[in-house]
Amino acid sequence: EAGVVQSPRYKIIEKKQPVAFWCNPISGHNTLYWYLQNLGQGPELLIRYENEEAVDDSQLPKDRFSAERLKGVDSTLKIQPAELGDSAVYLCASSFMFGETQYFGPGTRLLVL
Amino acid sequence: QKEVEQNSGPLSVPEGAIASLNCTYSDRGSQSFFWYRQYSGKSPELIMFIYSNGDKEDGRFTAQLNKASQYVSLLIRDSQPSDSATYLCAVNRAGGGADGLTFGKGTHLIIQP
Repeated sequence: EAGVVQSPRYKIIEKKQPVAFWCNPISGHNTLYWYLQNLGQGPELLIRYENEEAVDDSQLPKDRFSAERLKGVDSTLKIQPAELGDSAVYLCASSFMFGETQYFGPGTRLLVL
Repeated sequence: QKEVEQNSGPLSVPEGAIASLNCTYSDRGSQSFFWYRQYSGKSPELIMFIYSNGDKEDGRFTAQLNKASQYVSLLIRDSQPSDSATYLCAVNRAGGGADGLTFGKGTHLIIQP
């Protein structure tokens, strides 16, 4: 069974530019999560989807971040415009349902110059 | 504000010894508890989960949960150099809560050959 797939794996952009990350969860997993992980820190939840519905986006900086999961499968996280402080690893995870074990993708390492 | 606390380490343990990793959490509503291992530059991978008070064993790993003390630990027996990694404790308020996993900052474990 394929795991969570994320792309790109690495991204370097200049500040004020837009950037987008893509995630394909494990087949059959209804719940999808986006986390942000800074160096030396644990992952922090940005947004959680139950199928195509965003049920918790309280930690998502909505002035510059947006996310979508249109058909309840793949998801895209966007930053526009990016700031220097956005440099981090963006992790996508999925679970069969909320409360069940979450499985993480390899992450996208973002560097904003 | 939910918090998960871990000693960041590094925790240095001789090969073959028992490594003991500890975690405390502040939210008494937490229902499920997870230990993830994260190698440098990689994404977190699930080691164990525990829901009930007491011990849960899986191979060389034992998770211990004490909800009254709000304490969860991970024991690694017969430690191997390949166990050297950062271990993340995470808690989940399941049952309809609006949150994903809350992670600690992780404990950096070094197994000395």
